[in-house]
Amino acid sequence: NAGVTQTPKFQVLKTGQSMTLQCAQDMNHNSMYWYRQDPGMGLRLIYYSASEGTTDKGEVPNGYNVSRLNKREFSLRLESAAPSQTSVYFCASSDDGREGLRAKNIQYFGAGTRLSVL
Amino acid sequence: AQRVTQPEKLLSVFKGAPVELKCNYSYSGSPELFWYVQYSRQRLQLLLRHISRESIKGFTADLNKGETSFHLKKPFAQEEDSAMYYCALNRETSGSRLTFGEGTQLTVNP
Repeated sequence: NAGVTQTPKFQVLKTGQSMTLQCAQDMNHNSMYWYRQDPGMGLRLIYYSASEGTTDKGEVPNGYNVSRLNKREFSLRLESAAPSQTSVYFCASSDDGREGLRAKNIQYFGAGTRLSVL
Repeated sequence: AQRVTQPEKLLSVFKGAPVELKCNYSYSGSPELFWYVQYSRQRLQLLLRHISRESIKGFTADLNKGETSFHLKKPFAQEEDSAMYYCALNRETSGSRLTFGEGTQLTVNP
């Protein structure tokens, strides 16, 4: 059971280049997320998808686009990379199943993609 | 607006000493709070949730609505507890939309 898988693990881009970060989960979760992690700022939500076919902006969506390709896959695209997008990117999916009367609301994370934009 | 604050970026204790990682939140609704942990070279993972009221790896956290806090505590720290700890608030009444704190890097010295 792989859980949440992200590719690539590392990437170096030049300013203005584009790339797509891939994410797949095999836990049959409805919701998926993209975060960026920066020192001293914790994790900030870029985009999320509550179900296949829907996507919504998070706290820091500027400069990014996403695609929920199917229930398993949720990709993040940088159309024109900027140095400010140097960060570690995490994909997550959540178990929104019920536990008694309450939803579990547990998020499971990928291993991360370390991106440098020069 | 929802906000989670972890006032200590770095926390260093000796093995066997008690440890407390602070977390304060602001939220107008009924909060759902979590602690996530990231060990070196591992992915972020759930440590515990306030609704479970459980102890994981010797850690406990109690939701104090009066003080709007959810501090993480362990009576006797171990070297393997060294990690980055994030407090997170779920701001949705259904589903999961987490707001994370800035994180606290805990180092347990031998």
